[in-house]
Amino acid sequence: GQQLNQSPQSMFIQEGEDVSMNCTSSSIFNTWLWYKQDPGEGPVLLIALYKAGELTSNGRLTAQFGITRKDSFLNISASIPSDVGIYFCAGGTASKLTFGTGTRLQVTL
Amino acid sequence: GAVVSQHPSWVICKSGTSVKIECRSLDFQATTMFWYRQFPKQSLMLMATSNEGSKATYEQGVEKDKFLINHASLTLSTLTVTSAHPEDSSFYICSADNRDLSNYGYTFGSGTRLTVV
Repeated sequence: GQQLNQSPQSMFIQEGEDVSMNCTSSSIFNTWLWYKQDPGEGPVLLIALYKAGELTSNGRLTAQFGITRKDSFLNISASIPSDVGIYFCAGGTASKLTFGTGTRLQVTL
Repeated sequence: GAVVSQHPSWVICKSGTSVKIECRSLDFQATTMFWYRQFPKQSLMLMATSNEGSKATYEQGVEKDKFLINHASLTLSTLTVTSAHPEDSSFYICSADNRDLSNYGYTFGSGTRLTVV
């Protein structure tokens, strides 16, 4: 099945640093969603984006829906140890979600 | 609100046996549920879309006779892995469509880790 290209694949950062990751697609999506997955758990929704150009924040998280509708980015400011996990973007159509390849984030003290 | 319960959280079965996984929406009704499979260090891959009262829609390459889906009520979908083999060992995750609620999105269950020995 189709997957969205997500980068970087993994990153090691120090506590307090800002993080940025992005997701690109060859297809247009109606919505973009960002999820976080902890080991052995299902994904948890972080931010949902509904229209092209939209910029939305949720606490230390900020995400934008690309103007072309083919990309999105997620920023995390002032990272903390509990930000560790795998972040997935997902593009939504009327019928389903397509997930990105994931970004594994590790935070060092 | 918008809680999805998945059971069991893990299961070990012998090769050749069948395993049933349940996905329930606890506080909302979901006419559509989705089943994903996730191999270690990989992304979630959609297997099928489960529609209440009708046949499931399978993604390309997913064997419908091997992965039986039943969505008999608005709060329950089941995935049965028939004649399981070691290569079916994976993390299976369901989600329910709750886009009619205030928060857009699909709520995910906590997953089921299947190990076939």
